[in-house]
Parts: sequence; structure tokens; C-alpha cells
Amino acid sequence: GAVVSQHPSRVICKSGTSVKIECRSLDFQATTMFWYRQFPKQSLMLMATSNEGSKATYEQGVEKDKFLINHASLTLSTLTVTSAHPEDSSFYICSARTTNRGNQPQHFGDGTRLSIL
Amino acid sequence: QQQVKQSPQSLIVQKGGISIINCAYENTAFDYFPWYQQFPGKGPALLIAIRPDVSEKKEGRFTISFNKSAKQFSLHIMDSQPGDSATYFCAASRETSGSRLTFGEGTQLTVNP
Repeated sequence: GAVVSQHPSRVICKSGTSVKIECRSLDFQATTMFWYRQFPKQSLMLMATSNEGSKATYEQGVEKDKFLINHASLTLSTLTVTSAHPEDSSFYICSARTTNRGNQPQHFGDGTRLSIL
Repeated sequence: QQQVKQSPQSLIVQKGGISIINCAYENTAFDYFPWYQQFPGKGPALLIAIRPDVSEKKEGRFTISFNKSAKQFSLHIMDSQPGDSATYFCAASRETSGSRLTFGEGTQLTVNP
């Protein structure tokens, strides 16, 4: 149980393109979803937290107009990188958790490798 | 106050040996301490977690030791196997604040056959 699916696993696109990444909880209702960014050989950096039906809460230094997050249902959250540039190239990972059965751990997707040319 | 310090940065162990990774935290409000295992190109997977009301938790070959007074916790991997070679992250959170995880810097473990 507690499977989180992330799509696509890899995307390569030209500078200026907007890219949408989907994160789905397959077997549980994700009341909260998190989006992380990870550079090579570094730790995970939290970008934003989103609760279903609410606006996302962004971490300091993360541009909310650049990284659009939508959490419209209990099983789906999307991250859209708008007008992507080479410096946005990174490994983006989502996680999800539910609070429907008390405090539950975060379960992570397998990440999306974004490469902007 | 929100930092979690992890050491060592990298670790090489022989097959069958014990791998030990240490973490220290500052925020005494943290009440949940998970360890995650990450293979290259994959997302982190929850390995084992502990809450501060116990000093040790064991699941198979993996054990967390927790020292509340020292604000430290560690992961012990017994009988380490080449398949354990991965990056390990400790983390900490406050359950009452929505479980926002603060991660350590990570430890790259290599288990030689």
C-alpha cells in the first residue's frame, strides 16, 4: 500500500517551455502533498506544501509564479514549471500523506528528471 | 533551529559489517524521526522511523537508536549487503505542524562484496 506515482519520469525540453509534472496517490487519499527539488548528490529541498482544495504554501525563496502547484483532488497534485530555463533543470520529487487515519508518514514518488536545453 | 546534521557524508563497509549513520537535531519540538533510503534515479523510500518515547526500534537488520537528551539518533544496518548500497537520509518533523520534514544532508553508503 501507500503508492505514489509521479509522471513523467523524465522530460527534456527547450528553454521557455512550461512543463507539468503529475503526482498521484494510487491507494490512499492524500490530504497533504509536498514538492521537493533535489540537485545531484544533495539532500531534498522542500519547495511547497499543498493541502487538498487549498492554495499551496511555498518555502522561502521559491517563486510561486514560477512553480505553480495545484492540488485539486485527494489523489492528484500537479507542479507546473513555467517558462523553464536551464537553471530549473533538476530532479523534482513529490510526496503524499494522509491524516485520515491519524498521523501517517510521507510516501514519495520516483521523481521527475527535468532537463532544460 | 530547523537543521538536522547528518554524518558521515560517505561510508564504505565490507559485506557482513555494521553500517552506522548518525544524525543530530536542534529543535526539541521534533517528535518524529524517519530514515529514508534512496537509490539513484528513484525517490526516497521510508525505511524505519521512531518517536521520542522509545530509545530503540528494530526492524529486521535495521535499528534506530534515539538519545533524546543528546538530541541525536542513529541508524544501524547489521550484516550489511551490497544491495544496501544507496543514499540514506535522516529526517525530523513535528507531527502537529503537518509533518513538514527537515532532511539531513545524506550519507552515501557503499557495501563492498
